[in-house]
Amino acid sequence: DMKVTQMPRYLIKRMGENVLLECGQDMSHETMYWYRQDPGLGLQLIYISYDVDSNSEGDIPKGYRVSRKKREHFSLILDSAKTNQTSVYFCASSLGRGGQNTLYFGAGTRLSVL
Amino acid sequence: GDSVTQTEGPVTVSESESLIINCTYSATSIAYPNLFWYVRYPGEGLQLLLKVITAGQKGSSRGFEATYNKETTSFHLQKASVQESDSAVYYCALGDKDYGSSGNKLIFGIGTLLSVKP
Repeated sequence: DMKVTQMPRYLIKRMGENVLLECGQDMSHETMYWYRQDPGLGLQLIYISYDVDSNSEGDIPKGYRVSRKKREHFSLILDSAKTNQTSVYFCASSLGRGGQNTLYFGAGTRLSVL
Repeated sequence: GDSVTQTEGPVTVSESESLIINCTYSATSIAYPNLFWYVRYPGEGLQLLLKVITAGQKGSSRGFEATYNKETTSFHLQKASVQESDSAVYYCALGDKDYGSSGNKLIFGIGTLLSVKP
């Protein structure tokens, strides 16, 4: 079953707390992504991972870090969360590199930082 | 820069009416643009609806179609007769055919919320 799973689906944190968003995929895709979407904006790329321990910054990496120790899992970490990181976060995966590949998305995590 | 502009929602249409969601793109750093429509149904992740990688070609899926028009830099999504089950958020996206300076990323529009009234 081709699936990208994000946990948790909803999360409320206080400013300054650490946040861990987890993503898993069962397709052995080599490339994984973290996007965020805010009202009135398109999805913005935070990080891309090309495989285990091979990560690159996207367009808005500041305030985030990622970890990929297994091909199936890709984590997004917010150290000392800020209120402007309140957003909906989407994880995705694709079979290969290049902007011609189909992305498979999780259902999203709605994060509120108070 | 590279960008995607699409119809701002929400868009409300009645069942069996026709639909068009506009999408235009700017691909200043992408030599060979690929164009996509993704859809997000309530409670689910985005999923690919259709994609076209060659200018002048048309893609179609589930009754939706879109034509890649290089002259007008457009990729409008159309459906002749919508159903209530088409209610969702639709995203237009732009990608690079090659793994070049733009990398892997897709550039997304803001998404258009479509509500179909029974």
